[in-house]
Amino acid sequence: SQTIHQWPATLVQPVGSPLSLECTVEGTSNPNLYWYRQAAGRGLQLLFYSVGIGQISSEVPQNLSASRPQDRQFILSSKKLLLSDSGFYLCAREFRGGGTDTQYFGPGTRLTVL
Amino acid sequence: DAKTTQPNSMESNEEEPVHLPCNHSTISGTDYIHWYRQLPSQGPEYVIHGLTSNVNNRMASLAIAEDRKSSTLILHRATLRDAAVYYCILSAPQKLVFGQGTRLTINP
Repeated sequence: SQTIHQWPATLVQPVGSPLSLECTVEGTSNPNLYWYRQAAGRGLQLLFYSVGIGQISSEVPQNLSASRPQDRQFILSSKKLLLSDSGFYLCAREFRGGGTDTQYFGPGTRLTVL
Repeated sequence: DAKTTQPNSMESNEEEPVHLPCNHSTISGTDYIHWYRQLPSQGPEYVIHGLTSNVNNRMASLAIAEDRKSSTLILHRATLRDAAVYYCILSAPQKLVFGQGTRLTINP
């Protein structure tokens, strides 16, 4: 199983409040993990990826951060949310097969910042 | 990152075949062609991928041009559940770069 769990499913937060979104994955150990954001009506934007515990690469500078405290746990955080942080946040894991790497996505967290 | 070009939207009828085109004229020799789709309010779902040869799976077929500068995702018999945004993506080390995709509408 390559199941991906994300919570919460939906979240409404005021501007300036902190954020913590969690992603946990099942299946093979030491997966590459990803955080994407999708603003309303837009495509997916890669935010962070991780190739192992404590290893985080940031794709876009912003007020978000990511951490990987355990092999199968990936957390997205913010100290102070902005209105522009609203969107659909997706966690993904990489899976090797058919000669290349594909990605499987979790169910997502829909964040509304008011 | 290698770029892909897809039509913004397409429309088809239920139970008919659908051919979704993708141009990738700057593809490199080692780039795989991936297709994902995203149903409303869900995360993207892997559909199919290939390198040079045409590929078939239970969801779709992927036809790759001989020069690899274009490809076509084929849904053999569309259903209403195939209505989604379809993304054509070229692989890059450790990340996928999603464009705007093609919004496919299926008419009953």
